[in-house]
Amino acid sequence: SQTIHQWPATLVQPVGSPLSLECTVEGTSNPNLYWYRQAAGRGLQLLFYSVGIGQISSEVPQNLSASRPQDRQFILSSKKLLLSDSGFYLCAWSTDRVSPNSPLHFGNGTRLTVT
Amino acid sequence: AQSVTQLDSQVPVFEEAPVELRCNYSSSVSVYLFWYVQYPNQGLQLLLKYLSGSTLVKGINGFEAEFNKSQTSFHLRKPSVHISDTAEYFCAVSDQGYGGSQGNLIFGKGTKLSVKP
Repeated sequence: SQTIHQWPATLVQPVGSPLSLECTVEGTSNPNLYWYRQAAGRGLQLLFYSVGIGQISSEVPQNLSASRPQDRQFILSSKKLLLSDSGFYLCAWSTDRVSPNSPLHFGNGTRLTVT
Repeated sequence: AQSVTQLDSQVPVFEEAPVELRCNYSSSVSVYLFWYVQYPNQGLQLLLKYLSGSTLVKGINGFEAEFNKSQTSFHLRKPSVHISDTAEYFCAVSDQGYGGSQGNLIFGKGTKLSVKP
């Protein structure tokens, strides 16, 4: 069966420090991968998605970047964190373009607090 | 482009009472519809999905949702809730077309269901 791992679960970082969040998927190959951010009262915002190694699409301009160095690995990064980067970050995967036959599967999230 | 509106940000209800969480969407194309549930400090879990066919969709944990095309709604219901149903519920839509972005799932802002004893 497929599983998705996301770490760390919680992170407290000072403003201006770098960030690296990692997500890996097991039990499937060539998945679509996604990074979402969840802020209070704002629902889920899609930040990046990837349909293959080295292929990253950014949905919103921001202080963050994403990379996919391996088929089942997706990394969210920042060179210098801002206070506004605080939130709950969720990694997700699907077998293909999202549909009822290819729904999103989420990791358990990382709660990032920038101080 | 699609959009999703969850009219109620919070819904308090007593245990064993029925509940309905409302979801309306707008889209110029045919859509797929989903409900996800998020328990505190966890990721989202798929509750149910609508593709086509019967307008009443049954999901996990006794939840069901009814698709109403004329009202562009996909309300979530449960006839009798439990304390363990306390969570945040998200409605989401994706378009059925293949010419657009792969990042095609749009979420509502969520409804927090609070079940009281």
